[in-house]
Amino acid sequence: ETGVTQTPRHLVMGMTNKKSLKCEQHLGHNAMYWYKQSAKKPLELMFVYSLEERVENNSVPSRFSPECPNSSHLFLHLHTLQPEDSALYLCASSQVRGTAINIQYFGAGTRLSVL
Amino acid sequence: QKEVEQNSGPLSVPEGAIASLNCTYSDRGSQSFFWYRQYSGKSPELIMFIYSNGDKEDGRFTAQLNKASQYVSLLIRDSQPSDSATYLCAADNAGNMLTFGGGTRLMVKP
Repeated sequence: ETGVTQTPRHLVMGMTNKKSLKCEQHLGHNAMYWYKQSAKKPLELMFVYSLEERVENNSVPSRFSPECPNSSHLFLHLHTLQPEDSALYLCASSQVRGTAINIQYFGAGTRLSVL
Repeated sequence: QKEVEQNSGPLSVPEGAIASLNCTYSDRGSQSFFWYRQYSGKSPELIMFIYSNGDKEDGRFTAQLNKASQYVSLLIRDSQPSDSATYLCAADNAGNMLTFGGGTRLMVKP
């Protein structure tokens, strides 16, 4: 148990559905991240929130919409996804402090299948 | 583009041997480097981080960093079947982001 909880663990959705992924961290961290992990590809950083403000958006399609209501919670809202969006979606958190080492702790992930 | 490169493997070693995992990075501005272990179907878990040139040891694990050569490695001594997993190398970027390599799959055979 890393202190980062993701729900649901598995999700199957059609291309016209709308769903949301949830992440909660219990570590008192001030930064949260969404990553996508597809087969045979490196972890891809999607979004970064630091102190509840989005600081990074790596050209992610608009069908993915993040939300960070407070420093402990992060959501990823999904709509009109494509089959190629099927992947493991990982949430991570870290404590960002000046030049200190940025150690990220990952949740268990949500395995998403888009039919 | 900032990149972290790893041989995808699989790297197969017999039980009890030393496993050597390697990683190169392109961004000379990277200061900290991380090794994560990921079991199949699970999330990455941190094994070690290193930020100074040289070796850093933690139990059976030793991380090595050579900034001049832009090279990071992880040695696993006395490898066990339970060490079989994919090992991810990551380098920090400006703004506290991490760039991950594609991972090396390690297989330790009894």
